[in-house]
Amino acid sequence: GNSVTQMEGPVTLSEEAFLTINCTYTATGYPSLFWYVQYPGEGLQLLLKATKADDKGSNKGFEATYRKETTSFHLEKGSVQVSDSAVYFCARMNYGGSQGNLIFGKGTKLSVKP
Amino acid sequence: NAGVTQTPKFQVLKTGQSMTLQCAQDMNHEYMSWYRQDPGMGLRLIHYSVGAGITDQGEVPNGYNVSRSTTEDFPLRLLSAAPSQTSVYFCASSPRGSNEKLFFGSGTQLSVL
Repeated sequence: GNSVTQMEGPVTLSEEAFLTINCTYTATGYPSLFWYVQYPGEGLQLLLKATKADDKGSNKGFEATYRKETTSFHLEKGSVQVSDSAVYFCARMNYGGSQGNLIFGKGTKLSVKP
Repeated sequence: NAGVTQTPKFQVLKTGQSMTLQCAQDMNHEYMSWYRQDPGMGLRLIHYSVGAGITDQGEVPNGYNVSRSTTEDFPLRLLSAAPSQTSVYFCASSPRGSNEKLFFGSGTQLSVL
């Protein structure tokens, strides 16, 4: 089927640690891929995206590379800050119906300790 | 610039009651959608609309109705609330032809007793 699988949380890191949140997808073809972030008490907001294979999305020090060989889009950051504490959602486009929509993973909660 | 506004922020209902969750956006976005967020389930699409007068079902539409009489508003109606509808509901919108970047409201936390 068409789905998005991301690593279970919660993830707890110390400030300045390296972050990886794994995300894999199943799909027919090569859909656009996304990472959204949800800060406490807020709605989701787009963090970064990649629209084709080998593209790298980046924003606010976060990066993710579209790997068609491994159907993955892992999120990385070299040095996390306390302000990065949030829930991170991987998502992919699903083309069908009257137009495409986003399919989200279950979310990974990140807590960064000072 | 208000963006996507959802009301109310919190609501408690009894089983069988009906209510409408309001969503309005002031960005002239064509596309609007409703998601529910449940622990361990992520976000699931309930209904969406690609413009005024057009609506379509998402992944979990049962028990919910929507209409889109204007570009700005996209209300979600619960006809007869059930405890299984206890959730956090998010409305989202995006510009025409670009529903990949969604702008989310801050959510409505609904409890059905």
